[in-house]
Amino acid sequence: KNEVEQSPQNLTAQEGEFITINCSYSVGISALHWLQQHPGGGIVSLFMLSSGKKKHGRLIATINIQEKHSSLHITASHPRDSAVYICAVRSWKDDKLIFGTGTRLQVFP
Amino acid sequence: DSGVTQTPKHLITATGQRVTLRCSPRSGDLSVYWYQQSLDQGLQFLIQYYNGEERAKGNILERFSAQQFPDLHSELNLSSLELGDSALYFCASSALNEQFFGPGTRLTVL
Repeated sequence: KNEVEQSPQNLTAQEGEFITINCSYSVGISALHWLQQHPGGGIVSLFMLSSGKKKHGRLIATINIQEKHSSLHITASHPRDSAVYICAVRSWKDDKLIFGTGTRLQVFP
Repeated sequence: DSGVTQTPKHLITATGQRVTLRCSPRSGDLSVYWYQQSLDQGLQFLIQYYNGEERAKGNILERFSAQQFPDLHSELNLSSLELGDSALYFCASSALNEQFFGPGTRLTVL
């Protein structure tokens, strides 16, 4: 079993829809990262969380440390949000990043 | 633009060869991380350097080595290349644990 699990693996949406991507982890962490990888391959860090909730524009990330679960929400989705979204946790034991397998999102006009 | 640069962007080579990938971190960042992203394994942490010293090691093969130089740029050396080493190699630098990724080097081993 992977230490970081994401769901769904693939997601398609119509423009304007509200989107949720989930991440569950099984290790003790000091922080959780949400990353975005565009088709060209580049990776952008969206959020780093250790508790609570963060918002940036149409993106919202939440984390529940007790339940070892995080969600990434996209409000009013747009075709330019089409990308792979990757959850990564920083292990408190050795400070290394452990990555989920990613969620491929396609938003159609 | 994250401020992290990687060269080359693409590299095509043959099995058994040796290559060097280069990374320059953001100005002021002391930490450099190397990651490998292959189709079947996803993103995996390889190694971290902090101010010239190795800080943490992940799933890095013995055929691979890295170093960080006094000007803080880093190089990842891959030797005795195999077909399975074909992947995207990213470096990232960090400040206060937030990571900034370079554009990656796409390595193709034929």
